[in-house]
Amino acid sequence: QVQLQESGPGLVKPSETLSLTCTVSGGSISGYYWSWIRQPPGKGLEWIGNIHYSGSTNYNPSLKSRVTVSIDTSKNQFSLNLSSVTAADMAVYYCARRGSGASHNWFDPWGQGTLVTVSS
Amino acid sequence: DIQMTQSPSSLSASVGDRVTITCRASQSISNYLNWYQQKPGKAPKLLIYAASSLQSGVPSRFSGSGSGTDFTLTISSLQPEDFATYSCQQSYTLPQTFGQGTKVEIK
Repeated sequence: QVQLQESGPGLVKPSETLSLTCTVSGGSISGYYWSWIRQPPGKGLEWIGNIHYSGSTNYNPSLKSRVTVSIDTSKNQFSLNLSSVTAADMAVYYCARRGSGASHNWFDPWGQGTLVTVSS
Repeated sequence: DIQMTQSPSSLSASVGDRVTITCRASQSISNYLNWYQQKPGKAPKLLIYAASSLQSGVPSRFSGSGSGTDFTLTISSLQPEDFATYSCQQSYTLPQTFGQGTKVEIK
């Protein structure tokens, strides 16, 4: 079955750019939307953005000015860049596949998540 | 943005109890509502999509209902492995938003 794995630095300095990659295994990245979602410690989940395998994107307006999501179908990977990070961006970052059917969509499966700490 | 409000924020229950968690949307979302289970240190797991459709492999003791603004997740007979945090999520419009979560603890 499809599995997702996040990778990237676990520590980012304030004002710098957070960069994460999600590697998809057990299936093709083509044909789906792929998503980034984050969860600050002890808080709820926040959708960051989606990317279609064709490259089209949707972002959360609250983060849109700082977020870029890209995809590399040849490597079966998609990536997240979040610029100008602050302590408020400290969270567990998850990648997920956006499943869909009959006009509905959902997040499944998810990667295991990676904690990103923002500190100098 | 559509706000998703869950109640209660936490509850204590015993094995075998019937448990009900409520999710309310700030505007009508038809049945564009999903439920997830999350255990400590783990990623969320999809339980229910489209308000009432059970994800493949999820035990039948889980069920979802509702439409419009009010939704319910029910666990008919709580099992030890069900102690976790449950979150709702609307997929009606972007940005997709989640509830704050309901933690189900052992009584």
